[in-house]
Amino acid sequence: EVQLLESGGDLVQPGGSLRLSCEVSGFTFSAFAMSWVRQAPGKGLEWVSGIAGTGGATYYAESVEGRFTISRDNSKNTLYLQMTSLRAEDTAVYYCAKWRDLDFWTALNGFDMWGQGTMVTVSS
Amino acid sequence: DIVMTQSPLSLPVTPGEPASMSCRSSQHLMHSDGYNYLDWYLQKPGQSPQLLVYLGSNRASGVPDRFSGDISGTNFTLKISRVEAEDVGLYYCMQVLHTPFTFGGGTKVEIK
Repeated sequence: EVQLLESGGDLVQPGGSLRLSCEVSGFTFSAFAMSWVRQAPGKGLEWVSGIAGTGGATYYAESVEGRFTISRDNSKNTLYLQMTSLRAEDTAVYYCAKWRDLDFWTALNGFDMWGQGTMVTVSS
Repeated sequence: DIVMTQSPLSLPVTPGEPASMSCRSSQHLMHSDGYNYLDWYLQKPGQSPQLLVYLGSNRASGVPDRFSGDISGTNFTLKISRVEAEDVGLYYCMQVLHTPFTFGGGTKVEIK
């Protein structure tokens, strides 16, 4: 069974840092690109960052570029999101999502598996 | 960034009746491979999103055939041939042609 389990969400003060993890099982992790997608309370979905299956290419939303770093450890089947200089507007549920191929620009399109999300609250 | 505009914001539906929602992109979404890089997701209440349609018109694995996607230039349509009660939730389109990938604002489907 495919599973994606996020962890690391917490209450943090503005300017603080946090690292999210997404541990996966049930598929060959290194064969698939991954992303983080967030959802602020009562709001829509926002793509945050993505990484190719090899970890060799990373992509970011402008709102987090320079503050967040996506990475993966294929030996541990785990995806990470290092978040620094956190702002109130980063408050959201953060989902990790599995893409259907090694990198994003192929006909095997779409995020076909999602975790349950982890809540990040940035507040003083 | 590519802007995705969904309409309507809210869609009251009657079980057994058809339903349709739209998504418009600010730029074309056709990749050099000939496919439109547009996906549809459904987020049921209290759940994570799930993939419904990829490349604008292809149903994802396990998705009932009452769901279908159409493409006309930069206009994309998701149709439900006969709505069921389990179809309520927020529907999002998402372009994945250029980073940053961007979602539409969503269409909320609810039972009348």
